[in-house]
Amino acid sequence: GQSLEQPSEVTAVEGAIVQINCTYQTSGFYGLSWYQQHDGGAPTFLSYNALDGLEETGRFSSFLSRSDSYGYLLLQELQMKDSASYFCAVRDSGSARQLTFGSGTQLTVLP
Amino acid sequence: DGGITQSPKYLFRKEGQNVTLSCEQNLNHDAMYWYRQDPGQGLRLIYYSQIVNDFQKGDIAEGYSVSREKKESFPLTVTSAQKNPTAFYLCASSSGPEGTEAFFGQGTRLTVV
Repeated sequence: GQSLEQPSEVTAVEGAIVQINCTYQTSGFYGLSWYQQHDGGAPTFLSYNALDGLEETGRFSSFLSRSDSYGYLLLQELQMKDSASYFCAVRDSGSARQLTFGSGTQLTVLP
Repeated sequence: DGGITQSPKYLFRKEGQNVTLSCEQNLNHDAMYWYRQDPGQGLRLIYYSQIVNDFQKGDIAEGYSVSREKKESFPLTVTSAQKNPTAFYLCASSSGPEGTEAFFGQGTRLTVV
């Protein structure tokens, strides 16, 4: 099976940088994804890492270390609209490529 | 516009009744998923399907059933055997086992009274 650990809450001020960590345990690993969810809304895809290293998409970056079973999402130049829940998700390497989510990190951006 | 549609957005049912949640996608995706989300919690996998006429149980399948008769449709039935059915239900799809991005519907909030 799969399990993921991420902090439950993070608070930062507007304009700051914040890092949300995710550690995972899987029976087989194919890739790590990040999703954003605003209250009452649907999760939306942010990034995906299959190989070690940093992927950058605008203000958001995601990092993966397969040997450490660890990844993080880096949010720069925080804006009020970034207040949301952020989920890491792993896709396993089995034939079904099951997609399993972490419990989420609630990010609060203060003015 | 391509997307994934869940209906209805809000659903109320009496305890002991079965209820079916609709999920339709026109993205031509092979893989579809059902997740349950409780307040302040993450997404827990109920069922998933990688191909028509085939589906697998997720982590919390007890009390739920699904069908995948068409590529576009993956309805979820919440049966009376589900002890705590009140929750937010999310349907998702991806292009297949190799798909890196999952697309979500807007969710159905089910309340059982």
